[in-house]
Amino acid sequence: DAGVIQSPRHEVTEMGQEVTLRCKPISGHDYLFWYRQTMMRGLELLIYFNNNVPIDDSGMPEDRFSAKMPNASFSTLKIQPSEPRDSAVYFCASSLALKEPYEQYFGPGTRLTVT
Amino acid sequence: EDKVVQSPLSLVVHEGDTVTLNCSYEVTNFRSLLWYKQEKKAPTFLFMLTSSGIEKKSGRLSSILDKKELFSILNITATQTGDSAVYLCVFRGEYGGSQGNLIFGKGTKLSVKP
Repeated sequence: DAGVIQSPRHEVTEMGQEVTLRCKPISGHDYLFWYRQTMMRGLELLIYFNNNVPIDDSGMPEDRFSAKMPNASFSTLKIQPSEPRDSAVYFCASSLALKEPYEQYFGPGTRLTVT
Repeated sequence: EDKVVQSPLSLVVHEGDTVTLNCSYEVTNFRSLLWYKQEKKAPTFLFMLTSSGIEKKSGRLSSILDKKELFSILNITATQTGDSAVYLCVFRGEYGGSQGNLIFGKGTKLSVKP
């Protein structure tokens, strides 16, 4: 398996522009997670899905952020409009919840820079 | 509010040294505690701990959990430069909880000098 795939790997955009991050989870995994990592705040959970349904989006910073999972093999995280404080590395992870030892498999991340 | 605190925040040692990384937590609905290693990329899984007093080992790495005192330690013996990374301690709660599934500590940055 190729693992969790994220695109793009790097994104540089200007303040006010829309940004869309993409994720393909590992085939067969039924949980998908979006995280944001910054030096100041560490790794934060933004939202997670179970069987394509959003379970908890309480970590989403504000209404400028939205996430979708139209099918089991694809998810997007959108920021509109983007702001400089959104600059971070965004990770997508997937897991098979009932499988032990428990493990989330992380994608390589998207490094977002908003100027 | 659930909280995971790691110490020290950073650590510099020389090859061959033994290090101990600490993680304390204040959480509700505890299910397990996990350790991840993060180099210049995504975190990779090391251990999952659910029971007190049972040591998990993998090569030179080992970890143990104390659910009474609410802490865990990660030991690395005979450190190598390849051990240089950020080590993340993570609390796993119940799915659907207000904090989501995993709460990450800020990490301990370990630097191993030749």
